[in-house]
Amino acid sequence: GESVGLHLPTLSVQEGDNSIINCAYSNSASDYFIWYKQESGKGPQFIIDIRSNMDKRQGQRVTVLLNKTVKHLSLQIAATQPGDSAVYFCAEIIMWEYGNKLVFGAGTILRVKS
Amino acid sequence: NAGVTQTPKFQVLKTGQSMTLQCAQDMNHEYMSWYRQDPGMGLRLIHYSVGAGITDQGEVPNGYNVSRSTTEDFPLRLLSAAPSQTSVYFCASSYSNRGYGYTFGSGTRLTVV
Repeated sequence: GESVGLHLPTLSVQEGDNSIINCAYSNSASDYFIWYKQESGKGPQFIIDIRSNMDKRQGQRVTVLLNKTVKHLSLQIAATQPGDSAVYFCAEIIMWEYGNKLVFGAGTILRVKS
Repeated sequence: NAGVTQTPKFQVLKTGQSMTLQCAQDMNHEYMSWYRQDPGMGLRLIHYSVGAGITDQGEVPNGYNVSRSTTEDFPLRLLSAAPSQTSVYFCASSYSNRGYGYTFGSGTRLTVV
């Protein structure tokens, strides 16, 4: 079936530490994955994406790793800051006849302790 | 440049009432979609559109109608509201049919009593 799930519903980290948020996906045909950050009362905000022909992609303080063998995706946040506290979703793009749709996982709450 | 604008931000309906959630984007994006987000869950696709005059169903379309008469606007209609439709609704637009560049609105929190 089409589903994207997360291993850890809540993650608490100390400010300055690195955070790792994990995600499992089930659709082996998906070729594009996105991580979103959602702050309270706001819509999802794009963080970083990765195509299936890549294993790793780096942004500013964030890195996404893709392991297609075990259908696993992770988001690494370096030197986590209080402003990183939010809900993080992984999503995969599934192609339909006319275009695409985003399939979201349930989300991981990241809490940063000062 | 306002991005994706949703109105209203909050709404309370009685069971059986109808209403339209508005969504407008000023980025000339062809692709627009509606999602609902229930507590503790990710977003689920309701309906989407690949351009003016073209719409299709998503994962949870029952109870909702859409139309796309212009590129800018993509309203979501609830014909007869039910408590199960209590949720936060997000509209999104994208410039690419490959899934790139999704921009989300700030959401409409709907409560049906």
